Amino acid sequence: NAGVTQTPKFQVLKTGQSMTLQCAQDMNHEYMSWYRQDPGMGLRLIHYSVGAGITDQGEVPNGYNVSRSTTEDFPLRLLSAAPSQTSVYFCASSPLRSGDNTGELFFGEGSRLTVL
Amino acid sequence: AQKVTQAQTEISVVEKEDVTLDCVYETRDTTYYLFWYKQPPSGELVFLIRRNSFDEQNEISGRYSWNFQKSTSSFNFTITASQVVDSAVYFCALSDGAYKLSFGAGTTVTVRA
Repeated sequence: NAGVTQTPKFQVLKTGQSMTLQCAQDMNHEYMSWYRQDPGMGLRLIHYSVGAGITDQGEVPNGYNVSRSTTEDFPLRLLSAAPSQTSVYFCASSPLRSGDNTGELFFGEGSRLTVL
Repeated sequence: AQKVTQAQTEISVVEKEDVTLDCVYETRDTTYYLFWYKQPPSGELVFLIRRNSFDEQNEISGRYSWNFQKSTSSFNFTITASQVVDSAVYFCALSDGAYKLSFGAGTTVTVRA
């Protein structure tokens, strides 16, 4: 079972470059989200989606774009990379169960991004 | 606004010692969910437990146990007879049931042989 797949696992960018982190899940989960992990700050929510065509901002959305054209895919775009975006990025998904949602997230393995 | 505080940044113990990780949360919601995740050195995030706000029963799973106290807004995690494989970063998290999890800063546990 693939679960949540993130690519690439490692990436180095120069300031000002753009790139897309890919996230795909094969569990038919409606909810998908992107977090960034920085030392001493835990995981912070960047953007999330509750279904195809629906996206919303999380706690730290600036500098990032997302789209959700299919249930399976939720790419995260960095428009103009900055050193402050050096981080480990995690994609996560969850099924939406009406009346019994518990919020448990299934995480990808993470993508380590360095912006020089 | 939701907030999760893990006051302990790092804990170092010798194998077989017990270790307790503190988690204090803030929320205005009456219905919410609390979680613990483990992040071993390999980097993946591993789900450990979920507890909803209406269930204050403590839970034990092998060497792991959790103490949920609504009166003090705490959801503490104890590892009994720690082992080297328990070395990891542990995150406490809170959800209002609307899928968005708020994470604490994490506690790094190092178990020395």
